[in-house]
Amino acid sequence: DAGVTQSPTHLIKTRGQQVTLRCSPKSGHDTVSWYQQALGQGPQFIFQYYEEEERQRGNFPDRFSGHQFPNYSSELNVNALLLGDSALYLCASSPGTLEAFFGQGTRLTVV
Amino acid sequence: GESVGLHLPTLSVQEGDNSIINCAYSNSASDYFIWYKQESGKGPQFIIDIRSNMDKRQGQRVTVLLNKTVKHLSLQIAATQPGDSAVYFCAENRANRDDKIIFGKGTRLHILP
Repeated sequence: DAGVTQSPTHLIKTRGQQVTLRCSPKSGHDTVSWYQQALGQGPQFIFQYYEEEERQRGNFPDRFSGHQFPNYSSELNVNALLLGDSALYLCASSPGTLEAFFGQGTRLTVV
Repeated sequence: GESVGLHLPTLSVQEGDNSIINCAYSNSASDYFIWYKQESGKGPQFIIDIRSNMDKRQGQRVTVLLNKTVKHLSLQIAATQPGDSAVYFCAENRANRDDKIIFGKGTRLHILP
């Protein structure tokens, strides 16, 4: 079992560009959540997907959007990138229970 | 409101000693708490969890204590090892409502030789 995998591991984008991050959940997990972790901070909840629908959303602007596919994998899209969007983006999957498993994250740098 | 906070940003402990990391939460309705360990360049790793109907739970070398009266929880690591060096987060998961995990800012644990 590969666990939660995210791609790419690192990414550099220019201000104003758009980015897509990808996540494959742990086998058997149908729920995917995305978190943003700024340097020196705890992860902040962005949104959660279940059955291809956004089930819950944190306090993030609608520049942040996502998608879940029938195989439960997920994408996070960020439009009109700002310098402040530079962070580690974490994906977590769960089988509908309380325990969530995190991927290694994608380090996004906006210049 | 939604907040989970830690008392200290950095903790230094001698190798072999016990470590205690503290955390306060503000919402008395919180019903599930998790401790995560995050090593440099990695995602958070589940350590141990506790439900609000418990006051203590033990794992391998780790113990979590929950004091609902003062809204405080702690993580105790026995016989601290160099591999325990990491940032530790307490987190809250209000699974009965929306399943999102709310993290505190983290405590960095330094192991002294």
